[in-house]
Amino acid sequence: SQTIHQWPATLVQPVGSPLSLECTVEGTSNPNLYWYRQAAGRGLQLLFYSVGIGQISSEVPQNLSASRPQDRQFILSSKKLLLSDSGFYLCAWGTENTEAFFGQGTRLTVV
Amino acid sequence: AQKVTQAQTEISVVEKEDVTLDCVYETRDTTYYLFWYKQPPSGELVFLIRRNSFDEQNEISGRYSWNFQKSTSSFNFTITASQVVDSAVYFCALGPTDSNYQLIWGAGTKLIIKP
Repeated sequence: SQTIHQWPATLVQPVGSPLSLECTVEGTSNPNLYWYRQAAGRGLQLLFYSVGIGQISSEVPQNLSASRPQDRQFILSSKKLLLSDSGFYLCAWGTENTEAFFGQGTRLTVV
Repeated sequence: AQKVTQAQTEISVVEKEDVTLDCVYETRDTTYYLFWYKQPPSGELVFLIRRNSFDEQNEISGRYSWNFQKSTSSFNFTITASQVVDSAVYFCALGPTDSNYQLIWGAGTKLIIKP
């Protein structure tokens, strides 16, 4: 069966520090991978999606970047965090014909 | 343009009442999928149901039921005999479609079940 792992679960980082959130998927090949952000009390905002290794599409210009170094690995990064980067980050995977499954999320607080 | 509208921002009911969460979608594609997810206070998104555009048969799963009507572009979700554990934010989503393999999300409906 397929599983998705996302870590860490919570993170507190100072403004200006770098960020690296990692997401890995098991049990499937060539999934579509997604990074979402959810601000407190609000809906989901798609940040990046990837349909293959090295293929990244950005939905919202911002202080973040994403990379997909391996088929089932998706990384969300920032060189210098801003206060506005605080939020709940969710990684998800899916294919054309299956639902998107989500990781447990990372609650990021930038202080 | 593709869009999902969940007009109810927050609903509060007393336990054991029935409650319906509305979802209206917009797409010009003929092939698409619709989803409902539950997000409890823990934050994780829990998949509830997926329905494709060619299957308008309503579905029931325990206390949950879904009413898909293409004529009104709606995919409503009903919880029968609600329980406190049903308290969560519920999201409706559209996708993938013929032209877009991303999920288009509604803003979510916060459901509060009071004991």
